[in-house]
Amino acid sequence: GENVEQHPSTLSVQEGDSAVIKCTYSDSASNYFPWYKQELGKGPQLIIDIRSNVGEKKDQRIAVTLNKTAKHFSLHITETQPEDSAVYFCAATMNQAGTALIFGKGTTLSVSS
Amino acid sequence: EAQVTQNPRYLITVTGKKLTVTCSQNMNHEYMSWYRQDPGLGLRQIYYSMNVEVTDKGDVPEGYKVSRKEKRNFPLILESPSPNQTSLYFCASSFREGEKLFFGSGTQLSVL
Repeated sequence: GENVEQHPSTLSVQEGDSAVIKCTYSDSASNYFPWYKQELGKGPQLIIDIRSNVGEKKDQRIAVTLNKTAKHFSLHITETQPEDSAVYFCAATMNQAGTALIFGKGTTLSVSS
Repeated sequence: EAQVTQNPRYLITVTGKKLTVTCSQNMNHEYMSWYRQDPGLGLRQIYYSMNVEVTDKGDVPEGYKVSRKEKRNFPLILESPSPNQTSLYFCASSFREGEKLFFGSGTQLSVL
């Protein structure tokens, strides 16, 4: 089955710096890669996703890149702000009936002002 | 407001005492799922349901039951809770499997 590795487990940056979180997946059939942000005391919330027919996707300060050959995808946050502090999860799935969304173990991002 | 509602938010119980965590969504989603979140282990799927009366095991189903008698509700049942089920539980739903998941606010369960 699918296995998703996420690095780093913790990341501390200064406000205004960029942050990058990387994930690798094992199943080459996976074709959907979402990223979720979990703030303290809340459930995870989708912030961006990418499908395997696209190499990069941007949404304001957030971007995701996908390298299908190497089976890795990354989350890039530019001009970080204190409100970006949260736990971030990557996930992967084959997007077929009966196949689960497999999550990475999470990255705790701390942005200090 | 579109949302997934879980109850209770916090629950302390004792070993062996049956409990139910409720989950309801108001978005007419077909797909619903339960996850548990443990430190260092991320989110692991317990059970999921692709539609009414259709449920299936996730990665860590042992000790849990679910039912999907109505589209909007997907309760999680622990018939005989044990301390290793102490965890943070999330219910989630999406229009279809593999699409954007909406999560509830979580239920922190402690089994003594």
